[in-house]
Amino acid sequence: TQLLEQSPQFLSIQEGENLTVYCNSSSVFSSLQWYRQEPGEGPVLLVTVVTGGEVKKLKRLTFQFGDARKDSSLHITAAQPGDTGLYLCAGVPTGANNLFFGTGTRLTVIP
Amino acid sequence: KAGVTQTPRYLIKTRGQQVTLSCSPISGHRSVSWYQQTPGQGLQFLFEYFSETQRNKGNFPGRFSGRQFSNSRSEMNVSTLELGDSALYLCASSPGSKGEKLFFGSGTQLSVL
Repeated sequence: TQLLEQSPQFLSIQEGENLTVYCNSSSVFSSLQWYRQEPGEGPVLLVTVVTGGEVKKLKRLTFQFGDARKDSSLHITAAQPGDTGLYLCAGVPTGANNLFFGTGTRLTVIP
Repeated sequence: KAGVTQTPRYLIKTRGQQVTLSCSPISGHRSVSWYQQTPGQGLQFLFEYFSETQRNKGNFPGRFSGRQFSNSRSEMNVSTLELGDSALYLCASSPGSKGEKLFFGSGTQLSVL
C-alpha cells in the first residue's frame, strides 16, 4: 500500500475538456506538493499547498489542500496537449524526514 | 544557473555487475536525494545526503549505497545487479531544509539484462 494514492491512474481526454486528479492519504501532511513529469525528464514542481483548505491557482490549474491536510486535488480547465504528462503529488508525513511521492496520474490530452 | 546534472543518461549492465551513477546538484544546494522510478512502484526514496552525511534512508537493500563529496556532488552505487534493478534513477537537489521543493535531474535509465 502506497502512502499517497492518486486517482485516476490514467486519463485520456480531448483538448478543451476539464479534469480533476485526486491525491489521498490516511496520514497528515504539513504541506503537499504537485509535480509534473514529461517523458525523458525529471519531475518539475508546479505548486506547494501549505494550509488546510487552501486553494491555489496557476493559470488553468487549480490546486486544493483538504481541510484535514490528508488529501489534495488538481483541477485543469480547458486542457491542452501541452498538459500531457505524469502528475505526481508528494509530501512529508508527520514524523517522517523525506518526501514521499504519490502513485501518479498519467494524463494524455488529445488534440 | 545550471540545473541538476546526472550521468550517464543511459546504462546497460548484466546481472551480477555493479554500477555507479553520478549527480551534480545545483550550485549552492547542499542536499542530494536519490529516487528509483519504475512503472510498477512509482518513485521510491533511496537516500538523502546533506553535507557529506547520509541524513535519511529508504527501504532498499544494502546493495544500494551512496556518498556525497565536499563539493556536494553525489554518487550512487548498486552492487550485484538484479533484473529488478532496471529503472530510472533520479537525483534531486535542494538547499537543505526538510520537505522543501526538489529540483530533479533528467535521470539515468538503467537496464539490467
